[in-house]
Amino acid sequence: KAGVTQTPRYLIKTRGQQVTLSCSPISGHRSVSWYQQTPGQGLQFLFEYFSETQRNKGNFPGRFSGRQFSNSRSEMNVSTLELGDSALYLCASSLEQGNNEQFFGPGTRLTVL
Amino acid sequence: GNSVTQMEGPVTLSEEAFLTINCTYTATGYPSLFWYVQYPGEGLQLLLKATKADDKGSNKGFEATYRKETTSFHLEKGSVQVSDSAVYFCALTWLYNFNKFYFGSGTKLNVKP
Repeated sequence: KAGVTQTPRYLIKTRGQQVTLSCSPISGHRSVSWYQQTPGQGLQFLFEYFSETQRNKGNFPGRFSGRQFSNSRSEMNVSTLELGDSALYLCASSLEQGNNEQFFGPGTRLTVL
Repeated sequence: GNSVTQMEGPVTLSEEAFLTINCTYTATGYPSLFWYVQYPGEGLQLLLKATKADDKGSNKGFEATYRKETTSFHLEKGSVQVSDSAVYFCALTWLYNFNKFYFGSGTKLNVKP
């Protein structure tokens, strides 16, 4: 069974640009969560989608948005990039919710110059 | 608010040494507790979990016991190997929290041959 895949693996953008990251969950998983990982703040929850609906959201500005498609693939978008958005963005998928194991992808490393 | 606190790293041990990584949490109600491990260049992998007080999670020689009275979930291993070198994350969530996990800051473990 293929794992969670994220594309691209690496991105370099400049301030003010926007970026779209993609996540393909494990087949059969309908829940997709996104996290931002930085050395200073650690892992912070961005949002979670299930069956194309956002069910939970972390404390990030509106520049961070996401969506999920009918095949459970998910994208997240960051508009008007800031230097502080440089981070590893991790996607995780799971069967349902709560106590179910989350399976993480390798992440997309975003660098904002 | 809800949070997870882990001991600062890095932790450096010799092969076959005993490992303890401390984790304490602040949370309402009765969360489920997890340990995830991240190897270089990879996403997080679930190591073990416990869903109620006094439960012991175990996997690959690692174990942790859910202590409600001390709000702790310390990770232990009797004899570490070089291959255990990684970053370890303690995390919590609730059954109906739509996969919103709270992660600790991570503890880097270096095991020397």
